[in-house]
Amino acid sequence: QKEVEQNSGPLSVPEGAIASLNCTYSDRGSQSFFWYRQYSGKSPELIMSIYSNGDKEDGRFTAQLNKASQYVSLLIRDSQPSDSATYLCAVRGDNNDMRFGAGTRLTVKP
Amino acid sequence: NAGVTQTPKFQVLKTGQSMTLQCAQDMNHNSMYWYRQDPGMGLRLIYYSASEGTTDKGEVPNGYNVSRLNKREFSLRLESAAPSQTSVYFCASIRTTLGELFFGEGSRLTVL
Repeated sequence: QKEVEQNSGPLSVPEGAIASLNCTYSDRGSQSFFWYRQYSGKSPELIMSIYSNGDKEDGRFTAQLNKASQYVSLLIRDSQPSDSATYLCAVRGDNNDMRFGAGTRLTVKP
Repeated sequence: NAGVTQTPKFQVLKTGQSMTLQCAQDMNHNSMYWYRQDPGMGLRLIYYSASEGTTDKGEVPNGYNVSRLNKREFSLRLESAAPSQTSVYFCASIRTTLGELFFGEGSRLTVL
């Protein structure tokens, strides 16, 4: 069974701090990794994708991938109250299935 | 741009009733997916279709059937609804070269 694990949280950080979200996966054949943000009652929306080892930065967001450790992380710098949401890690397998972790609820306090 | 369209958005069923959730995408995507989301459970893959004419089971396929009617449409059927199938259902499609999922707005199903 392919598994994607996230620390379920909730995670609470003060405004302006760095939020760190973590994810591990079991399928070593996985090639594509994603972070989605989901506001309550809404559909998930993509915020970052990463395909190779290392860091990928996009504005205040940095995704990190370590395939040897089967680990993906998301850092949110200068966290804002509008970042308060559930963050979902997703992993795409080599047969095109896309599986999600349970999500981490983040609260950014003003 | 419509993107991914799901119908209905809300549905209440009695135990044992059947229904079909419809999904259509207008982005010419090859792959389509059905997920369910329960509180604290994230998104769980029910079935997916990597390409027109193919379907595969995901993590939680029991109690569901799917049909990839054509490239645009992927339906999910509950033959005999159970209270355990009360959930929010999301359809999604993928732009295969980049792997980004595009989601519909979700269908909230309650089985009494």
